[in-house]
Parts: sequence; C-alpha cells; structure tokens
Amino acid sequence: GAGVSQSPSNKVTEKGKDVELRCDPISGHTALYWYRQRLGQGLEFLIYFQGNSAPDKSGLPSDRFSAERTGESVSTLTIQRTQQEDSAVYLCASPLASGDRYNEQFFGPGTRLTVL
Amino acid sequence: RKEVEQDPGPFNVPEGATVAFNCTYSNSASQSFFWYRQDCRKEPKLLMSVYSSGNEDGRFTAQLNRASQYISLLIRDSKLSDSATYLCVVRGASGTYKYIFGTGTRLKVLA
Repeated sequence: GAGVSQSPSNKVTEKGKDVELRCDPISGHTALYWYRQRLGQGLEFLIYFQGNSAPDKSGLPSDRFSAERTGESVSTLTIQRTQQEDSAVYLCASPLASGDRYNEQFFGPGTRLTVL
Repeated sequence: RKEVEQDPGPFNVPEGATVAFNCTYSNSASQSFFWYRQDCRKEPKLLMSVYSSGNEDGRFTAQLNRASQYISLLIRDSKLSDSATYLCVVRGASGTYKYIFGTGTRLKVLA
C-alpha cells in the first residue's frame, strides 16, 4: 500500500486478556518502530526493528509486551494479561532505512487500545 | 530531567501572529532533530527536519543551538490551520536508532 496501515483501529478488551496489534509498513522500508502514546502524553519508544531483528527493545514496559516481525514486512505487537495502564494509542512507524540521519518517520493511524 | 522538554502550552495566538516554540534536549551527542505536527487524534507527521545551519520552509523556520542544546520553531503569519500540537523529536548519537519525542506544544490560532 501507499502508507503504513495498522489494525485494528480500535480495540476494547477486558483486563487480563491478551491482544495482538498489527502493523503493515510501507513496502520496501526496512526499519520499523513501535510507539505508545497515552492520553495527553508524548510518544514513548517501545521497540525498533531492522529487517526481522530487533536491535533495540529497551522501551518495552514489561515482559507482558513482545513484538515480532516477519518477511521484513508485517509486525505484530502482543500484550499479554492486559492491564488498565496499557490503555493508549499504539503507533507504528516506518522510515525508509535506518542509516540516514534525517529519515522521515511515516506513521500509521494507530490502534486505540482500551482495557476495561 | 527529561531527555526532550517542551512547554506544553497551550499557546493561543490570533491569526497572522508570529509564534515561537523552544525545545531543549539533554544528550549533547544527539545528531538529528525534527519538528513533527500532530493533529487531534491523528498520527504525527513530519513538519521539518532541523539542520545545523537552520532552515526555512515557507512560513516555518527551524533553528538549532548546539551549545545551549535547544531547537526552535518559528511560525510566521499564523493560519487557523496551524492549530495543532508540535512535537520536538531528537535522535541520539551515532549507533542509536531511537527517536525521543517531546510531549508537544499545543498551538491554537484564533480567528
């Protein structure tokens, strides 16, 4: 596709359930980032992929969070045993490549997660 | 101290006014700097990169002051459509791929 897509756009779940969020980056973009944005807050870095490997996962808040990427394309962010503090918008971004210092980050529309 | 700090605002200015935002960063080894714009309930979009020599794009001017570790964004002749949150973004030293986002400065341009 022409841009970054994410699904679902909205997800309401009960505390304790697992959720999977999906990101389809721009075709050919080798790098991929996941961010979290809580209401009224800035973006928090979660994890960065270069190809299918994640050289930096330092932003994942706990071991309930994991992410994978396959085929240098689709990425899924999984949150296990969701808690109310996980409620946020989860944004995916893909720059063209990670090497250029001034690469633009193209963001998807985000997944709005609400944990009841 | 936060890695990237911005005044959250809101800045309420009349149409046609000039408004300036500053952003400070803590890591002196930071290499790349950006301003992103985020409309309400939308994803961020790149407004402009900030180069060492400063750069201008129409009504928008960005400056970098490495000695004082801050970047600025100047908007001239404000339009109603400029109303948004402006995010300061810093990428770290060579070898790191992490982008650090400020919490944003909210601008409201009034008719």
